[in-house]
Amino acid sequence: QSVLAQPPSASGTPGQRVTISCSGSNSNIGSNTVTWYQQLPGTAPKLLIYANNQRPSGVPDRFSGSKSGTSASLAISGLQSEDEADYYCAAWDDNLSGWVFGGGTRLTVL
Amino acid sequence: EVQLVESGGGLVKPGGSLRLSCAASGFTFSTYSINWVRQAPGEGLEWISCISASSSYIYYADSVKGRFTISRDNAKSSLYLQMDSLRPEDTAVYYCARVGGSGPYQTNWFDPWGQGTLVTVSS
Repeated sequence: QSVLAQPPSASGTPGQRVTISCSGSNSNIGSNTVTWYQQLPGTAPKLLIYANNQRPSGVPDRFSGSKSGTSASLAISGLQSEDEADYYCAAWDDNLSGWVFGGGTRLTVL
Repeated sequence: EVQLVESGGGLVKPGGSLRLSCAASGFTFSTYSINWVRQAPGEGLEWISCISASSSYIYYADSVKGRFTISRDNAKSSLYLQMDSLRPEDTAVYYCARVGGSGPYQTNWFDPWGQGTLVTVSS
């Protein structure tokens, strides 16, 4: 069981906006920044959002992140077929002295 | 181009040992903390270990503490993971990933990631 809780699946149609939640506790999300990773089928994870809401260069502005208290969210607007992937949230956990991940959310574009 | 390339994976029997390597290029390896993250087949990501730039700080997940040892050779721009007393539940793709950000770990992230190397523990 993952320290950070994510819904196992999400879906949307092209052009729609979808959000993926990530719930933690005071020792991780509540105290530290949240990162989101995208893992396309058969590939290594890729940085998508860092420091709660920052996009690395090359990541479309359709992707956005937010954090409030002990929860975080990833929003994808203008959904495209190439967004079909697994999405993971992560944060440092002060109690565990290490990083923790969510269980991952598989996004399906219908 | 910043690149991380893992190697050393393979099939090993329960109780056996294996040493993974991660070769870095395209950046000043000696100034970055590096991590190992694994992914069991069909499962999610699990962070397992981190080593600071000068090897002064080392952290392990409870699941591997006492069995795995992380190390690095800055002269060779290489990261290692010595895995002992392997169990079937250690079967996974093992990724190395560079820490991004200049602040404390609480504000950091992983970028980039290597392509991974598969470790299979089975009799």
